Amino acid sequence: AQTVTQSQPEMSVQEAETVTLSCTYDTSESDYYLFWYKQPPSRQMILVIRQEAYKQQNATENRFSVNFQKAAKSFSLKISDSQLGDAAMYFCAYRFPTSGTYKYIFGTGTRLKVLA
Amino acid sequence: EPEVTQTPSHQVTQMGQEVILRCVPISNHLYFYWYRQILGQKVEFLVSFYNNEISEKSEIFDDQFSVERPDGSNFTLKIRSTKLEDSAMYFCAAGGQGQQETQYFGPGTRLLVL
Repeated sequence: AQTVTQSQPEMSVQEAETVTLSCTYDTSESDYYLFWYKQPPSRQMILVIRQEAYKQQNATENRFSVNFQKAAKSFSLKISDSQLGDAAMYFCAYRFPTSGTYKYIFGTGTRLKVLA
Repeated sequence: EPEVTQTPSHQVTQMGQEVILRCVPISNHLYFYWYRQILGQKVEFLVSFYNNEISEKSEIFDDQFSVERPDGSNFTLKIRSTKLEDSAMYFCAAGGQGQQETQYFGPGTRLLVL
C-alpha cells in the first residue's frame, strides 16, 4: 500500500534562514509524481513544487527546492531565505495512476513557524 | 495559476439535513476530485470522477455521498443525511489529461454539522 510519512509535526525557522521539511513515501510503483502543497491559515491548498519520479534532477521553484532520493523514497523540501509569509502547514503528496485516473495520498503535514 | 472555485465558502447545517457543495473546475480539465480534511488532520481522498462517472472512491465515500456534473461545468458533492462527523473542510480539485498534469485545488468549503 502506498503511504506518505511526514515525521516532523512542527518546525521553526528564523526569518531569512533555510529550513528543510522531510517526507518519505512507500510505493512499488515506478511511475508517479510527488508534490509539496502549502496550506496557510485560510486553509486553501497551494501547490509549491512538484517532482516527476522519472527525472533525476531535483525540482526548483525560486526559494523552494526538493531533494528527491528515489532509491531511499525520500522527498524533502528546502525553503531558502525564509519569509514570514512562508508560515503555513506543508503537506507532502504522492500521486499515482489508478483506475483510469490519478490518486493522491497526503502526509499528515508539517506546521512551519517563521520567527521574526 | 488556473483557479478552481467552490461555493459556498462556509456551510452550517443541522444533522440529518442534505447539503450540496459546488465546484467550478478549470474549463479544460477532465479529472475531478473531492477531498476532505477534518480539522487538524490530513487531507483524505474521497472520490475521483472522469468522463461523467466515478473512477475511484475511498471507504469514506459511502452511500450518503454522491457526485455529479450535471451541466458540464459545475461538479457537485452531495451528502444526503449529514452526520456530526461530516464536519470538515471539503476540497474540490481538478486536473488535465496526462500524467504531467498537476491537480489544482479549490479554496474549500468549511462544513459544520450541528
